[in-house]
Amino acid sequence: GEDVEQSLFLSVREGDSSVINCTYTDSSSTYLYWYKQEPGAGLQLLTYIFSNMDMKQDQRLTVLLNKKDKHLSLRIADTQTGDSAIYFCAEATYQKVTFGTGTKLQVIP
Amino acid sequence: DAMVIQNPRYQVTQFGKPVTLSCSQTLNHNVMYWYQQKSSQAPKLLFHYYDKDFNNEADTPDNFQSRRPNTSFCFLDIRSPGLGDAAMYLCATSRARHGGLSTEAFFGQGTRLTVV
Repeated sequence: GEDVEQSLFLSVREGDSSVINCTYTDSSSTYLYWYKQEPGAGLQLLTYIFSNMDMKQDQRLTVLLNKKDKHLSLRIADTQTGDSAIYFCAEATYQKVTFGTGTKLQVIP
Repeated sequence: DAMVIQNPRYQVTQFGKPVTLSCSQTLNHNVMYWYQQKSSQAPKLLFHYYDKDFNNEADTPDNFQSRRPNTSFCFLDIRSPGLGDAAMYLCATSRARHGGLSTEAFFGQGTRLTVV
């Protein structure tokens, strides 16, 4: 199966950390991605992780992967109002990238 | 510099009138994808090209076709647009390594299609 699921909505205060979660079902996935989409715009790749890694850090972003549980998370440290957007996780399998349902992050000033 | 370019950004077409959306890339990636994204939903894969090989998703309507005349360009043709086809159409590219496992996908800005 190729279902990728996320919670639909997350609200945090500016300066706090945000954690966006994602679960997937295809154990053959090779890369897992986080994309950001602002209103009316295309998707911007934020970061990705190889399936043989369990953590990747890139400035304010930390990705954690639990391959056993097929769980992926994105932590945004010191969340800013400019981080308000929809965040999609995605998994790459053979010749295909499948997206999650998206999590809308609202940052409260 | 834009690497995946979609034209136009906004397209208005009449119900039933064929329309073509275009995508070009400067990355020399061998895989190109077309996704449909309706409001508040995840992008849904319509089809993709692996080099010249066309791969259609099982639930993509026959109304949607695609052409890839060369590595750089890919077109989405909607033969008879209906009101339900109004959406954002996203083009993406990736490099598939030996064995077909893709690297990260790069997206264009999308074309927002309105059907009147």
